[in-house]
Amino acid sequence: DSGVTQTPKHLITATGQRVTLRCSPRSGDLSVYWYQQSLDQGLQFLIQYYNGEERAKGNILERFSAQQFPDLHSELNLSSLELGDSALYFCASSADRLSGYTFGSGTRLTVV
Amino acid sequence: ELKVEQNPLFLSMQEGKNYTIYCNYSTTSDRLYWYRQDPGKSLESLFVLLSNGAVKQEGRLMASLDTKARLSTLHITAAVHDLSATYFCAVDSGYSTLTFGKGTMLLVSP
Repeated sequence: DSGVTQTPKHLITATGQRVTLRCSPRSGDLSVYWYQQSLDQGLQFLIQYYNGEERAKGNILERFSAQQFPDLHSELNLSSLELGDSALYFCASSADRLSGYTFGSGTRLTVV
Repeated sequence: ELKVEQNPLFLSMQEGKNYTIYCNYSTTSDRLYWYRQDPGKSLESLFVLLSNGAVKQEGRLMASLDTKARLSTLHITAAVHDLSATYFCAVDSGYSTLTFGKGTMLLVSP
């Protein structure tokens, strides 16, 4: 157990639907990062939050959004889902850059 | 834009052999990370390399960083089957986000 908790582990949904992925960072970590892993694009950075504020944005589609709550857990919202959104979505947290980044076990999203 | 290239992308080794995985990156960074991923699983942190000349070893794996050459290596010594996995290097862009290589799938067979 890495200390980063992601739910659900698996999600199957239809095209056009909306889903929410949840992440609880390691105790004490203020930063949360979301990454997408797919066969064709590899591992891509989506978005970072630090203590409730958006800090950096990567290749995140407009249909996707995220937030970090006062208790530091984060949610990634994916809407108007397409087949190509099927992927593993990882959350990571860190205390600072020197200590590195700890990844959760991921949510496997399948869009049918 | 930061680009990270790993090679080889696939590596089939016999147990007991040595090999090196290379990670080149395109822009200046002094923070590089190596991760291991088993199929369908999470990313397990192996090494955090934070300065030029950094060398770290854990068991049969040793990682090094040359920031001048923008190169990191992951050396495998006397491979065993349990090392079979996909290995990723990731470079800190300077904005606390990681850019990953495509990964090296390592298969160690008897």
